[in-house]
Amino acid sequence: SQQGEEDPQALSIQEGENATMNCSYKTSINNLQWYRQNSGRGLVHLILIRSNEREKHSGRLRVTLDTSKKSSSLLITASRAADTASYFCATDGQTSGSRLTFGEGTQLTVNP
Amino acid sequence: GAVVSQHPSWVICKSGTSVKIECRSLDFQATTMFWYRQFPKQSLMLMATSNEGSKATYEQGVEKDKFLINHASLTLSTLTVTSAHPEDSSFYICSVLKGGFVDEQYFGPGTRLTVT
Repeated sequence: SQQGEEDPQALSIQEGENATMNCSYKTSINNLQWYRQNSGRGLVHLILIRSNEREKHSGRLRVTLDTSKKSSSLLITASRAADTASYFCATDGQTSGSRLTFGEGTQLTVNP
Repeated sequence: GAVVSQHPSWVICKSGTSVKIECRSLDFQATTMFWYRQFPKQSLMLMATSNEGSKATYEQGVEKDKFLINHASLTLSTLTVTSAHPEDSSFYICSVLKGGFVDEQYFGPGTRLTVT
C-alpha cells in the first residue's frame, strides 16, 4: 500500500525558475530515492539519500531528508522545459528489503 | 546502469482473454524482478516480487491466480493477466534488481494494457 504523499500534486513554473517538491512517509526507512517519469514511460533514477544523510546534491538536483519529520524535498534549480515530467519519491525500510513504496508523485510542468 | 526491456509496449485485448507481458534484463542476470501497476495519473503500486527459480511473492490484495508470474530464467520474467477485465487496464512496469542493492533497481519502459 502507498505510504508516501507528495506535494504539490502539480507544479507549473517558468524555465529558469527553481522547482521544489516534497514527499512525506509514514514508517522508518533505510533509504529514500527520487525518480522521474516522462509521460507513458518507465522510471529513471535520480538520486538516493540514506536515512543517516541530511542533504545530497547531484548536478541541478538537491535532496534533503528530515527523518524526524519523515519528509524529504527535491529541489531542481534553473529548470528547463526538458525537466517536465512526473517526479516520485520511493522508500525502502528494514522490513521491506528492496521492495519500494512510492509516493503519489508531483507533475512538474516547465514552460519555455 | 542497466537495460530492461518489456514486450509488448502496448496491447489491446478483449475481456475474458489472457495477456502475457515479458520483462527482460538485457545486460545482466537478475534473480529478483518486480512488477508494478500504475493507473492513469497515479503512482506505482508494487504487485509482486519475482524470484528466479521460485514462486513469486505477491503484495497484499493482489490475486496470485489472476496475475501469474513466471521467472524461469535469470533474464526473463513474465506476467500473465488471466481472464482480463476492463478494470485491469493499466500501465504495467517491471524492474530488475542488480546485485541486490536497493539503488540499483532499473525499470522497464512499461506495457500499456487496454481491455475492451
